[in-house]
Amino acid sequence: GEDVEQSLFLSVREGDSSVINCTYTDSSSTYLYWYKQEPGAGLQLLTYIFSNMDMKQDQRLTVLLNKKDKHLSLRIADTQTGDSAIYFCAESPSTSGTYKYIFGTGTRLKVLA
Amino acid sequence: EAGVTQSPTHLIKTRGQQATLRCSPISGHTSVYWYQQALGLGLQFLLWYDEGEERNRGNFPPRFSGRQFPNYSSELNVNALELEDSALYLCASSLAPGQLILGYGYTFGSGTRLTVV
Repeated sequence: GEDVEQSLFLSVREGDSSVINCTYTDSSSTYLYWYKQEPGAGLQLLTYIFSNMDMKQDQRLTVLLNKKDKHLSLRIADTQTGDSAIYFCAESPSTSGTYKYIFGTGTRLKVLA
Repeated sequence: EAGVTQSPTHLIKTRGQQATLRCSPISGHTSVYWYQQALGLGLQFLLWYDEGEERNRGNFPPRFSGRQFPNYSSELNVNALELEDSALYLCASSLAPGQLILGYGYTFGSGTRLTVV
């Protein structure tokens, strides 16, 4: 099936680390992505990871990929109130030939001051 | 560089009417994608256009249709509107399709919020 699963909500205190998890379905996905959606806005590409990598770090963001378990996570260090948003993971199965992304349901991150 | 622009920002229609949503991709992007974001349902893939042709569609009824113009802008039409069509409709663009698997990703517009009453 084409289900990308995420938990719906996460609440953290300002300054703590946030970890958002995602389970994807298609092991053929070449890239996996994290998008951020702020209230009333479209989706903004945050970061992505190539499928032959285990980890990618980009400033406060760390992406971990476990291909065996098809598990992807996004860690945000020193979480700020401006990080409050919905975070979507997405896969793009390379065998689909359709070049479309399959998105998770999104995790709503709430940062408490 | 201008981003992906969508119009209108908000649209209110009554059940049974038709809605037309518009999208202008980033200059140089030939692919346009439409997604529906209904409350609590994440993003559902609707349509993909490239070089003026529909390349793929998601699991939506035929009353959802669209087209892509020679300048790569796109229109999404929803006929015979139903209450459950109320959602945020997001348009995204990308370079030629092959670029997607190279990690470039989509660039999204801010969306059109369609409300059917």
